[in-house]
Amino acid sequence: DIVMTQSPDSLAVPLGERATISCKSSQSVLYSSNYKNYLAWYQQKPGQAPKLLIYWASARDSGVPDRFSGSGSGTDFTLTISSLQAEDVAVYFCQQYYTTPYSFGQGTKLEIK
Amino acid sequence: QVQLVQSGPEVKQPGASVKVSCEASGYTFTDYGITWVRQAPGQGLEWMGWMSTYNDNTNYARKVQGRVTMTTDTSTSTAYMELRSLTSDDTAVYYCAVGIVGGTSFFDNWGQGTRVTVSS
Repeated sequence: DIVMTQSPDSLAVPLGERATISCKSSQSVLYSSNYKNYLAWYQQKPGQAPKLLIYWASARDSGVPDRFSGSGSGTDFTLTISSLQAEDVAVYFCQQYYTTPYSFGQGTKLEIK
Repeated sequence: QVQLVQSGPEVKQPGASVKVSCEASGYTFTDYGITWVRQAPGQGLEWMGWMSTYNDNTNYARKVQGRVTMTTDTSTSTAYMELRSLTSDDTAVYYCAVGIVGGTSFFDNWGQGTRVTVSS
């Protein structure tokens, strides 16, 4: 099974500053036949279901603000929020969908400093 | 718009079974599979498996294989997840999810969650 590991576990960033979250997979999630990374990012606010932000490692879902961006390939990925807003306070999860059982990172809690 | 509406909270004793429903609307039910994900209190997300709404194929996580059954009722566009032989480790919020963009891979639509508490 693929293990997803996020860092840090929690992060406090001033409003308007950049936030960066890392996600590493125990094996590559890059599919060689189509050069796509099978990696998604979600945002979860307290008491709510997760919300899809990014898929294919860097494609923003419809309606997601462009301050959210995803990057990386193979086993190392990053979610970046370019200018933190108050409404971005949440827990963020990465997910691999390269092979079942699909797996999620443990989550990164993002707060305002 | 796509909506997934789940059944209400459940409290069960150890050893019992629970069946959670997920009623879908806003899209053609048989076009996309349904995935179930759970989240224990204060913990991360755990993929439980998925079911095709077209041909009833299933793919269950090894951790729950043998205790879980996922079914659908296409006449009511409703998916069900039954989990048997419950233990305290099954206490969690259970979500159904659909990937209109991602199919059964990544999920752009989620139910509101159903809290299942296993306690004697």
